[in-house]
Amino acid sequence: EVHLLESGGGLGQPGRSLRLSCVASGFTFRTHAMSWVRQAPGKGLEWVSSISGSGGSKYYAGSVKGRFTISRDNSKSTLSLQMNSLRVEDTAVYYCAKEPDNGDYGPRSFDFWGQGTLVTVSS
Amino acid sequence: QSALTQPASVSGSPGQSITISCTGSSNDVGGYKYVSWYQQHPGKAPKLMIYEVNIRPSGVSDRFSGSKSGYTASLTISGLQAEDEADYYCSSYTSTSTHVFGTGTKVTVL
Repeated sequence: EVHLLESGGGLGQPGRSLRLSCVASGFTFRTHAMSWVRQAPGKGLEWVSSISGSGGSKYYAGSVKGRFTISRDNSKSTLSLQMNSLRVEDTAVYYCAKEPDNGDYGPRSFDFWGQGTLVTVSS
Repeated sequence: QSALTQPASVSGSPGQSITISCTGSSNDVGGYKYVSWYQQHPGKAPKLMIYEVNIRPSGVSDRFSGSKSGYTASLTISGLQAEDEADYYCSSYTSTSTHVFGTGTKVTVL
């Protein structure tokens, strides 16, 4: 059974940093691309970033490019999101999501999701 | 990348069929077969219902079906049930190798 467990959310100040993690189990982690998708309170889903199974290809939404960095450690089945220069508008629940393929050409769909971790950016 | 356009709400009575539209452009919905649909109940994580326009993952009811014509994709729920009441989001791969979600549709079972 696929299981994705996010952690690292909490209160962050504008301009500061937070790091999110997602530990995966139940599938061969290194053969699947992974993504982060966020949802601001009461709002819709927003794709944030994706990384291929090997980690060699990374993709970012324009709203976070240059501020967020996605990475993965296949030896630990862990996905990470380093969030720098936080803004109030980054406040959201951040979901870790698995993709059905290795993601060499970018994010196509998300077949399993974690329960999410809440990030609140406020002074 | 602008969000794909969905109706804010759709409603139907138990047993009826409803259809949710999702309109994009040639750079996303119209240009690729990688259109997906997600169901989200309040306070829960999204669940994949349809991928690659019309393919149901294992375990998803065959009451859910997808289609696409031009720049518009559609999700049809037939034999509407109380448990289908939720938010639904479409999404698509894009020409810049990114991903975009729809604005979301709240389905109400009357």
